[in-house]
Amino acid sequence: SQTIHQWPATLVQPVGSPLSLECTVEGTSNPNLYWYRQAAGRGLQLLFYSVGIGQISSEVPQNLSASRPQDRQFILSSKKLLLSDSGFYLCAWSPLADSYNEQFFGPGTRLTVL
Amino acid sequence: AQTVTQSQPEMSVQEAETVTLSCTYDTSENNYYLFWYKQPPSRQMILVIRQEAYKQQNATENRFSVNFQKAAKSFSLKISDSQLGDTAMYFCAFMSFGYNTDKLIFGTGTRLQVFP
Repeated sequence: SQTIHQWPATLVQPVGSPLSLECTVEGTSNPNLYWYRQAAGRGLQLLFYSVGIGQISSEVPQNLSASRPQDRQFILSSKKLLLSDSGFYLCAWSPLADSYNEQFFGPGTRLTVL
Repeated sequence: AQTVTQSQPEMSVQEAETVTLSCTYDTSENNYYLFWYKQPPSRQMILVIRQEAYKQQNATENRFSVNFQKAAKSFSLKISDSQLGDTAMYFCAFMSFGYNTDKLIFGTGTRLQVFP
């Protein structure tokens, strides 16, 4: 069966510090991968998605970036965090050729920028 | 651009009763998917139910059913026989049919509280 992992589960970082959040998927190949952010009291906003190694599409301009160094690994990064980067970050995957196009979400990372 | 609107920030229902959560969306596309996701206090997003736009029949999953009105662009979720475990944030989501990848657009959510 497929599983998706995210770490760390929680993170507290000072403004201006770097960020690296990791997401890995097990039990599948060639998944589509997604990074979402959920700000307090708001819905999920798609940040990045990837259809393959090294292929990243950005949905919103921001000081975050994403990378996919391996087929089942998706990394969210920042060189200098802003207060507005605080939120709950969710990674998700979907099968490349799934007729139902369901996305499966990881447990999330709660990021607090102070 | 597609948008999803959930006009009820909070709802409450007594255990064993029925509650309906509203969702409307805007799109010019004819083929798409609609979803309801549940996010309990654990924050794990769980798919509740999905609907294909080309299907006229409303989707049903046990106590959960939808009222899909394509012309009105409405997609409400009905929870029957509410249980305490149904307490969660509920997100309506729209999926556009893109080439090689499909992006979910979420509403802002409805917080449902089930009371004993």
